[in-house]
Parts: sequence; C-alpha cells; structure tokens
Amino acid sequence: QSALTQPASVSGSPGQSITISCTGTSSDVGGYNYVSWYQQHPGKAPKLMIYDVSNRPSGVSNRFSGSKSGNTASLTISGLQAEDEADYHCSSYTSSSTLEVFGGGTKLTVL
Amino acid sequence: QVQLQQWGAGLLKPSETLSLTCAVYGGSFSGYYWSWIRQPPGKGLEWIGEINQRRSSNYNPSLKSRVTISVDTSKNQFSLKLSSVTAADTAVYYCARRLTIFGVAKYGMDVWGQGTTVTVFS
Repeated sequence: QSALTQPASVSGSPGQSITISCTGTSSDVGGYNYVSWYQQHPGKAPKLMIYDVSNRPSGVSNRFSGSKSGNTASLTISGLQAEDEADYHCSSYTSSSTLEVFGGGTKLTVL
Repeated sequence: QVQLQQWGAGLLKPSETLSLTCAVYGGSFSGYYWSWIRQPPGKGLEWIGEINQRRSSNYNPSLKSRVTISVDTSKNQFSLKLSSVTAADTAVYYCARRLTIFGVAKYGMDVWGQGTTVTVFS
C-alpha cells in the first residue's frame, strides 16, 4: 500500500479539464510544499511535470498546474489532449526517515 | 542534455544480490543527488535511496539493511546493490537525478534512466 492516496483512474474528453488528487498526512503533503507530479507513458520512465506543489520545469506545458489544500495536493490538466493519456504519480517529502514517498498512481484515459 | 544510461542483471534467484549501474552523460556529476527508484509490476513508485559525489547518502528505512548505493566519480557513475532478493523485489528499477535549482536540491527527479526490469524467480 502506497503512502499517498490517489484515485486509480480518471477520464475526460478532449478539451476538457480534469483534476487528480493526492492525499497524505501532516507529515508529508500537508506539512511541506514539496509535492511533485510525474507523467508516465506505458513502458517509459516517469517525466517530472510539477515540483514544489505548483512549479513547472522548463518545457512542461502550462496546461498542467498543481495546487494544495491541507493534506491533499491536486494536479489539474486543462485542454485535455490525446497525448495526455498516461499514468500520473504524485510524491512528497516526508518528515519520516523515508525522505520521499509516492502515491499509487492514477491512470488518465482521454475518451 | 544530460542522459542517464543504466545496466545490470535482469534475472536473479532468491537470496542473490541485485547489482545495477547508472552512467551520467552530457552534464555535471557533482552538485546533484543521484537516486534509485523502483516500480513493481502494476504498482506505484518506491524511492530506494540516493547519493551525491561526496558520498553522502540517504536510504529508505524499509530497504536500508539490504541496500548499498555507491558512486565512482572518476567514471560519472553510481551503483545500486540490493542483497538477499526475493520475489517482492521484482520491479523495474530506475536511476534518476534529483532536481537542483541554483544549487538547492528539490524533492523531484528531473532526469531518469531508461529503466531495468529485474525479475526474481526460483
């Protein structure tokens, strides 16, 4: 069982917006602004999409945005495109000695 | 453009030691933390541990007793050894670089290796 909780799947139609949640505790998501989001296409390595809750690395589309409220972080993808279909993973710094924990991943289907 | 290339044995028997190496090409090796992360089939990611060029390391406590991460700065390489493997260690193993901005390490991995599938079978 993963330390952070994500929905197993979400779906949306092209052009729509979707939001993926990532719920932790005050020891990780809620206690620090160190949440990251990754996109992973089948058979490929993850790609960093968001760091520090809401910052995008260079080259990542501004259709991807991140936010946090309490112990839950969220990734929003606007203007859904077919190529957005992938698995999305969240991670967070944790004050436990594990240092960094991940969610179980969410499969996004573009209908 | 920094690239990570990893290699190592993909088939192991229970009790054997997993050994993987990751080489860094096209960028600086110093000033970063270099990590290992794994993904069991159909499951989420799990952080294993990390090391920097000064050999300062951090490990996931759940694996710490079996994990050794080392670095060879002369070759711009870092390695993972996981001892006494079982079927539960079957996963895709990735090497990755921790994002660093203006010399400050962040909690995100911005460069990843291609992944190595490791299967433990008897």
